[in-house]
Amino acid sequence: EAQVTQNPRYLITVTGKKLTVTCSQNMNHEYMSWYRQDPGLGLRQIYYSMNVEVTDKGDVPEGYKVSRKEKRNFPLILESPSPNQTSLYFCASSAYLRGDEKLFFGSGTQLSVL
Amino acid sequence: DQQVKQNSPSLSVQEGRISILNCDYTNSMFDYFLWYKKYPAEGPTFLISISSIKDKNEDGRFTVFLNKSAKHLSLHIVPSQPGDSAVYFCAASLTTSGTYKYIFGTGTRLKVLA
Repeated sequence: EAQVTQNPRYLITVTGKKLTVTCSQNMNHEYMSWYRQDPGLGLRQIYYSMNVEVTDKGDVPEGYKVSRKEKRNFPLILESPSPNQTSLYFCASSAYLRGDEKLFFGSGTQLSVL
Repeated sequence: DQQVKQNSPSLSVQEGRISILNCDYTNSMFDYFLWYKKYPAEGPTFLISISSIKDKNEDGRFTVFLNKSAKHLSLHIVPSQPGDSAVYFCAASLTTSGTYKYIFGTGTRLKVLA
């Protein structure tokens, strides 16, 4: 089954404690991206990757890091989480062929930073 | 600067009637526009898309209309069903200089009343 898998689904942590949210896709997609969803703000892009070792900032990259060492994986790293990073996070992927390629989303990770 | 706007945070419609969800954008360089549907505790899923060179695309009960001069698009659902109750996100894609960006609106929560 084609899917994007995120882990964990729920995470509660404390300010400053480094964490990683994993994302993996099994569709051999070139393009992967991270979004955060906040009330009244919709989905905002954090980082994206066009292919292995190619990453770029989205609209809200501050406080986040990513890496793309393998095509299937695109982890999101919060080196020193802060309460304003409490949010619902989604990983997504698509086969980058042209602009109407739909994104496949993971089920989301609800992060709470205390 | 919100380049993609959904000005109605919520909409209620009677079952069997038409649902019209609206989206406005500011960047005339967007290549494609897409609609995603999101149920609680799930990631968004692709619904329908339209190229910037077209003015209408239809898929079953779902039709998307694009008015480039007004920088406006709308999603029509006819007839509306209770299972359509979800949050709908409008998105626009931009492919320039080798980059590939998706920009989402803030979402409209549709409630279809039985």
